[in-house]
Amino acid sequence: NAGVMQNPRHLVRRRGQEARLRCSPMKGHSHVYWYRQLPEEGLKFMVYLQKENIIDESGMPKERFSAEFPKEGPSILRIQQVVRGDSAAYFCASSPPSGVGYGYTFGSGTRLTVV
Amino acid sequence: GDSVTQMEGPVTLSEEAFLTINCTYTATGYPSLFWYVQYPGEGLQLLLKATKADDKGSNKGFEATYRKETTSFHLEKGSVQVSDSAVYFCALSDPHAGGTSYGKLTFGQGTILTVHP
Repeated sequence: NAGVMQNPRHLVRRRGQEARLRCSPMKGHSHVYWYRQLPEEGLKFMVYLQKENIIDESGMPKERFSAEFPKEGPSILRIQQVVRGDSAAYFCASSPPSGVGYGYTFGSGTRLTVV
Repeated sequence: GDSVTQMEGPVTLSEEAFLTINCTYTATGYPSLFWYVQYPGEGLQLLLKATKADDKGSNKGFEATYRKETTSFHLEKGSVQVSDSAVYFCALSDPHAGGTSYGKLTFGQGTILTVHP
């Protein structure tokens, strides 16, 4: 039973380019969460999605960032016109409808470097 | 809003030493509390949790007790091993904060633990 799969593991983008981060939840999980970990900091919640719905995007920057979880395929976190301050590790987690608990599983993350 | 404050690291110990990593929290409701561990290059793994006051979570020799009176959830282990070297995160989920909070974790900044042979 594969865990939460994130790709790519490492992503390098030049300033102004777009970054697309993908997350495939665990089988049977319908809820996806994105977190960002800046250097020397803890993880900060960004967005919570169910299939075709954004449930809570209170942690998403107002501009350049968007997320989706389509009916088919992985969840995508999209960052347009990246800047150096976007360099971070981005983690995805998935869960069954019960939310936080032992079923809440993290992926290995995508390390984004903006040069 | 909710917040978690962890003991600053890094923490360096010799094998078989006693470990304590302090964690305190503020929350609007009655949160569930968690400790996660992150090994190099990997995602976070749930280590233990407690859902109500005086609950003790335990796993792999680690334990933490939910102390509502001191709003704390300190992580302890009686005898650490080299394989325990990792980053440890304290976190909370506050489902009583309303809305979609049951799906959201609030993390502390993490504590790097290094155990030497």
